[in-house]
Formats: sequence, structure tokens, C-alpha cells
Amino acid sequence: GENVEQHPSTLSVQEGDSAVIKCTYSDSASNYFPWYKQELGKRPQLIIDIRSNVGEKKDQRIAVTLNKTAKHFSLHITETQPEDSAVYFCAASRGTYKYIFGTGTRLKVLA
Amino acid sequence: NAGVTQTPKFQVLKTGQSMTLQCAQDMNHNSMYWYRQDPGMGLRLIYYSASEGTTDKGEVPNGYNVSRLNKREFSLRLESAAPSQTSVYFCASSPSGKHTGELFFGEGSRLTVL
Repeated sequence: GENVEQHPSTLSVQEGDSAVIKCTYSDSASNYFPWYKQELGKRPQLIIDIRSNVGEKKDQRIAVTLNKTAKHFSLHITETQPEDSAVYFCAASRGTYKYIFGTGTRLKVLA
Repeated sequence: NAGVTQTPKFQVLKTGQSMTLQCAQDMNHNSMYWYRQDPGMGLRLIYYSASEGTTDKGEVPNGYNVSRLNKREFSLRLESAAPSQTSVYFCASSPSGKHTGELFFGEGSRLTVL
């Protein structure tokens, strides 16, 4: 069945360093790839998304890249700050209703 | 603007009891969803409603039922709760049109089944 694998499960970086989280998906018909951030005890919130007709998208310190041939996409956070500490989830969707989420990456930014 | 509102926020049930989780959104979104979140498992789709009057199964529908009461409300019912249904449940909604795709989540409902 459809599957999204996410790595690593935990990631610790020094404040100011970059963080990269990677996801691979199995359904070649997937065309929408969002990333959600979930702070402890809070709801997930969308931070960036990319559609299949685009290879890269940036929003300030956050960027997402997509390689459709290899079926993988990545989240890049530059100049990390303590408030970036959270769990990050990737997801893939072939339409707009059924999202398959990755298992999450717990990012810790060490001051 | 409240967004997506879920009730209750916490609930403890005994095995075999039933309960309904309520969800309402005030953003005029067409689509609504119920997810469960378990440690190390990410978010798994239980049921969704693409539009008022329709509901469909997600990845893990067994043991649950849903009702799309109207455009605003989407409820999740556990008819006979089991310990395996101990989880955090999130309701979400999404608009249609240009911004189709982004999920707006409620605050979550933590359910414990003893």
C-alpha cells in the first residue's frame, strides 16, 4: 500500500546550524507534499508545502526540495533557533483528501 | 475566529463503553477529517468527508463510525471502546479551490481506554 518513510526519527543540532529531514514516498501518483510542525502538546500546523510541478520552494529559513524521479522530498531549516524544536511530519497526497503521513522527526535545537 | 473546535479534550473510558468525539469548524471548509496520533506512528487517517453528505474510510477505520452532520460538524463515534483505541484524536478541515491541501487541525482529544 501507500507508504511514506521519514528519517531521522530524532535530530539534534546546535543553534545556528542547519537541519535536514528526508522523506520517501511509494505512490508515484502523489502530487502534493506538505510539512507540518507540532510543538509539544499542540496541534500540527503547516509550515511549507510543495506541489509536483515544482522542484524547490523557500520561505525564509525553511526550504523544501522534491525529486519526483527518486520519489523523495526533504525539509531544510537553516540558522536553527531554539523555537524550531518540535516534531516535524512530512506527508504525501495523490489528491487532496487522503494524506499519508511520515512517522515524524523530533528536532532538538541545542542552545 | 475559533477555527476547528473539538470536544472533549480529555476522556477516560472503560473497555466496551461508547462515546462520540465532536468536531466543528467555522471556516466554511468543504472537507473534514479524523486522525489518530500514536507515539512513533505519526498521524493516521481514520475517516474523512470530502464534502457535506459524503464520508469515506481512511487507513484505520475499524472500530469507528462517523457522521457529517452538516457542513460545519463531523463527529467520530466509538461504539465499543478497546484499549487499542487509546490515542490522541485530531479533527481537521481543509478548504477547496486554490488553497486545497492545507489541513487545519483542532487541538486534539486525548482518549484513554482502560
